[in-house]
Amino acid sequence: AQSVSQHNHHVILSEAASLELGCNYSYGGTVNLFWYVQYPGQHLQLLLKYFSGDPLVKGIKGFEAEFIKSKFSFNLRKPSVQWSDTAEYFCAVRRGSQGNLIFGKGTKLSVKP
Amino acid sequence: GAGVSQSPSNKVTEKGKDVELRCDPISGHTALYWYRQSLGQGLEFLIYFQGNSAPDKSGLPSDRFSAERTGGSVSTLTIQRTQQEDSAVYLCASSRLGAGSSYEQYFGPGTRLTVT
Repeated sequence: AQSVSQHNHHVILSEAASLELGCNYSYGGTVNLFWYVQYPGQHLQLLLKYFSGDPLVKGIKGFEAEFIKSKFSFNLRKPSVQWSDTAEYFCAVRRGSQGNLIFGKGTKLSVKP
Repeated sequence: GAGVSQSPSNKVTEKGKDVELRCDPISGHTALYWYRQSLGQGLEFLIYFQGNSAPDKSGLPSDRFSAERTGGSVSTLTIQRTQQEDSAVYLCASSRLGAGSSYEQYFGPGTRLTVT
């Protein structure tokens, strides 16, 4: 069965530190890849997505992610985090262009001011 | 425009009772999804409706769970004979399918269900 692994359960950083959150998936066919964010008390919002083309995708709020097909990975990065980035981050995979998302268990990011 | 709305926002029920959770998708979105978010299990897919096609029920955890979508819009998720392990946040998402769509799923705020 398809699965999505997020390597870190909880990451604590100071402001201005660089961020990389790992995500690996198990499906070998065509996939669409997503990162969602859930700020405290808010609903899930899309940060960025990859469907095809340039494997380096840029999203909102300075986030980017790189799709490495050979490693089945889609890691999320941000060069300099802010306190307002404190949230839970979810990686998700969808087989093809339609259908349900399969989520990782999430990574909680805490940024110290 | 209006996003996905869900009601109620919170529901506390006694073990063994039935509950209904409602989702209003974004107008014009033909696909609707239910997920649940619980501690330790993360976000799990439950059921997916796409237009007039038969729903994909492959994520429903037991036959106590069912969902319907009336008129291609509003959806109701029903849990019969609730158990404590059903306690979770139930999330609804919708997306617009078809040419020119990114098929992005937009999520609602969720219904927090607590079974006592």
